[in-house]
Amino acid sequence: KNEVEQSPQNLTAQEGEFITINCSYSVGISALHWLQQHPGGGIVSLFMLSSGKKKHGRLIATINIQEKHSSLHITASHPRDSAVYICAVENYGQNFVFGPGTRLSVLP
Amino acid sequence: DADVTQTPRNRITKTGKRIMLECSQTKGHDRMYWYRQDPGLGLRLIYYSFDVKDINKGEISDGYSVSRQAQAKFSLSLESAIPNQTALYFCATSDLSFTTGELFFGEGSRLTVL
Repeated sequence: KNEVEQSPQNLTAQEGEFITINCSYSVGISALHWLQQHPGGGIVSLFMLSSGKKKHGRLIATINIQEKHSSLHITASHPRDSAVYICAVENYGQNFVFGPGTRLSVLP
Repeated sequence: DADVTQTPRNRITKTGKRIMLECSQTKGHDRMYWYRQDPGLGLRLIYYSFDVKDINKGEISDGYSVSRQAQAKFSLSLESAIPNQTALYFCATSDLSFTTGELFFGEGSRLTVL
């Protein structure tokens, strides 16, 4: 069993839909990161959180430490949100473990 | 200019050739990483360095070596490339002055070994 799992693997949505991507992990962590990888390959950090909830524009990330689960929500999705979303956990400052990614396609 | 720069961005080479991927950063971070990405798999750690005199193996270090020439530079070498090293390689940095650190990635180096 992988230490970090994501669901779904692939997701297709219509523009304007509310989207949820889930991440579950099995190890102790100091923080959880959500990353976005665009088709060109570059990876950017969206959120880093260790408790509760964070919001940035149309993106919301939540984490439940007891359940070892995090969700990334996108409200009013847009075709430019099409990308691979990667969940990564950080284990007490030493290293990062990455999920396999969720490929999102938002159709106009 | 990008905070984390990788060169080359694309490289096609033949089995047995020596390849070096270079990474430089302007973030002033001590921690640098080399990751490999394969389709359907998460990023996997090859090597990491917490300062200029520190080199650590990751989960898939066999067949690779690294050099941390300065705080800003971290290069990855494939001494004798083989086809299963065909992948997308990422350099990343983080600032772990605090308990946790945000990761900053280069744009990736796509390597094809024929």
